[in-house]
Amino acid sequence: NAGVMQNPRHLVRRRGQEARLRCSPMKGHSHVYWYRQLPEEGLKFMVYLQKENIIDESGMPKERFSAEFPKEGPSILRIQQVVRGDSAAYFCASSPRDFYEQYFGPGTRLTVT
Amino acid sequence: AQTVTQSQPEMSVQEAETVTLSCTYDTSESDYYLFWYKQPPSRQMILVIRQEAYKQQNATENRFSVNFQKAAKSFSLKISDSQLGDAAMYFCALTGGTSYGKLTFGQGTILTVHP
Repeated sequence: NAGVMQNPRHLVRRRGQEARLRCSPMKGHSHVYWYRQLPEEGLKFMVYLQKENIIDESGMPKERFSAEFPKEGPSILRIQQVVRGDSAAYFCASSPRDFYEQYFGPGTRLTVT
Repeated sequence: AQTVTQSQPEMSVQEAETVTLSCTYDTSESDYYLFWYKQPPSRQMILVIRQEAYKQQNATENRFSVNFQKAAKSFSLKISDSQLGDAAMYFCALTGGTSYGKLTFGQGTILTVHP
């Protein structure tokens, strides 16, 4: 059973560009979580999605950030008009149901130049 | 709001010795779950151990065990017979109640293992 897949592993964007981060959950998992890790810090929750639904986006910045988990295909975290402060590692995790352990992908390291 | 505090930014241990990493938490929920995750230099987050708050028995996974003190809201991780491969950042995490499973992480503890 393949683990959680994230791509790209590394992404470089110039200020003002858009960043799209993809996450394919483990087979059979319908719950996806996105977290952000700034340098030398712990992970911070951003958004929780189930298929075609955003369940909790309390950790998402109000502007420029959006997430989706369509019926078919991977979950996408989209950052518009990136700024240097968006540079971080973005992790996706999946679980078969809520309140169950989450399995993490390898992360996408976003660098904004 | 839920909070998780790891008061030890760094810890070190000799190979084959035992080390304990501390974690305290705060939550108003009666039903919650606690986890320890390991993040080696590869940055991959790896689940080490899980504890359900309603269970009185401390969880154990091979060389890893926890000391769960519910009244004190303490959840420490003990690593026995430490190995060089245990060197990593360790995060304590909490979820429960209305959080829908989202994890609240502590700041992390960097563990160094000396040969």
